[in-house]
Amino acid sequence: AQTVTQSQPEMSVQEAETVTLSCTYDTSENNYYLFWYKQPPSRQMILVIRQEAYKQQNATENRFSVNFQKAAKSFSLKISDSQLGDTAMYFCAFMKGQNAGNMLTFGGGTRLMVKP
Amino acid sequence: GAGVSQSPRYKVAKRGQDVALRCDPISGHVSLFWYQQALGQGPEFLTYFQNEAQLDKSGLPSDRFFAERPEGSVSTLKIQRTQQEDSAVYLCATARAAQTYEQYFGPGTRLTVT
Repeated sequence: AQTVTQSQPEMSVQEAETVTLSCTYDTSENNYYLFWYKQPPSRQMILVIRQEAYKQQNATENRFSVNFQKAAKSFSLKISDSQLGDTAMYFCAFMKGQNAGNMLTFGGGTRLMVKP
Repeated sequence: GAGVSQSPRYKVAKRGQDVALRCDPISGHVSLFWYQQALGQGPEFLTYFQNEAQLDKSGLPSDRFFAERPEGSVSTLKIQRTQQEDSAVYLCATARAAQTYEQYFGPGTRLTVT
C-alpha cells in the first residue's frame, strides 16, 4: 500500500513571494505518477502539476514547479510569484503504474493562504 | 457537458435513511472514480468503474455502500442506513481513457447525517 504525507497543515505567504509545500510518500512501486492538486474554497479539485517517476527532470508549469527526489521519496511544490488566487488547499497525490488509470492516494493537504 | 457534474450538491439525511448521490461524467469518459473526503482530510478512494464494469471496490467502507454505472455513463453511489460517520464530501472523478493519468473532478456532494 502507498502512503502520502504532507507535514504542513497550514502555510501563508505574502503576495508575489515564493512558497514551498512539502510532500513525502512511501511505496514499493518503481513506476508511478505524482501530482499536486489544488482545491479552492467551495470549488472543485483541479490538477496543478504532475511528475512521472521515470523522468529525472523536474516538472514545471508556469509559476509552479516541483522538486522530485526519487531516492528520498520527496515531492515538493514551489509556487513562485504567489497570487491571491493561489489561496486554496493543496493535495499531493500518488498513482501507481507506468500506465495510469489507477486510483489516486492523497495526502492530508496543506492549506495555503496568500496575503495581500 | 463541459465538466463533471454531481447532484445534489448538499444532502442532509437523518441517521438510518438511505441516500443516492449522482455523478454525470464528461461525455465519453471511460473511467469513473468515487472518493470520500472527510472534513479537513484528503480524499480517499472508494470505487472505480471502467465503462459499466466495477473493477475495484476495495475502498467501500462497508456493505452499506453500493455503486453502479449501468450504461457506462452516469454513476450513482448509494448509502443505506446512513450513520454519522458517513458525513463527508463525496467526490466523483472521471478520466478520458483507461490508460490516462489525469482525473477530472466534480464539485462533490456534501452529505451531512444528523
